[in-house]
Amino acid sequence: DVKVTQSSRYLVKRTGEKVFLECVQDMDHENMFWYRQDPGLGLRLIYFSYDVKMKEKGDIPEGYSVSREKKERFSLILESASTNQTSMYLCASSLGLFNTGELFFGEGSRLTVL
Amino acid sequence: RKEVEQDPGPFNVPEGATVAFNCTYSNSASQSFFWYRQDCRKEPKLLMSVYSSGNEDGRFTAQLNRASQYISLLIRDSKLSDSATYLCVARDHTGGFKTIFGAGTRLFVKA
Repeated sequence: DVKVTQSSRYLVKRTGEKVFLECVQDMDHENMFWYRQDPGLGLRLIYFSYDVKMKEKGDIPEGYSVSREKKERFSLILESASTNQTSMYLCASSLGLFNTGELFFGEGSRLTVL
Repeated sequence: RKEVEQDPGPFNVPEGATVAFNCTYSNSASQSFFWYRQDCRKEPKLLMSVYSSGNEDGRFTAQLNRASQYISLLIRDSKLSDSATYLCVARDHTGGFKTIFGAGTRLFVKA
């Protein structure tokens, strides 16, 4: 079974703190994604990556950055957390070019910024 | 305008009912389409892919109309266990496989 593991299920941070959210997948998937999910807004794409050291902006990249130094790991960074970044963050991975496109999600990281 | 739009519901239906969800997408470069299911406080999981020819998986039927940029999901003989949020998804193959989710449609199936 594909496993996508997010390092923290629940985090509480203060405004202005730097926040790292880590995601690791064990199925050698090329593509990795970071979404945030908010009530009424659904999942919104923050960043995605289709290869090591490659990254592409999603729909809401402002206030976030990402890092993909190894194929299995995709990190989301909040340089200076703000209260409007309180949300559920979901990491996902999928196979590359010739595949069904199925995304496999981690269990999510619920971030509260005070 | 959202790239993928869905009726948020909620849809409240009795067991055994047939229910249909609709979804529209605005990016004409979208090439692949999916329905995901998300249970309360859980991560989304793939329900089925959507093909132009239409496809069926047991009680579930998905349809795609590329000309109208419209996707549908039909659930027949609803079960209590079908209660969940159903997410419509469109994927762009022009670079990087940008995958966009709709906000989801909530379904409650009552006994």
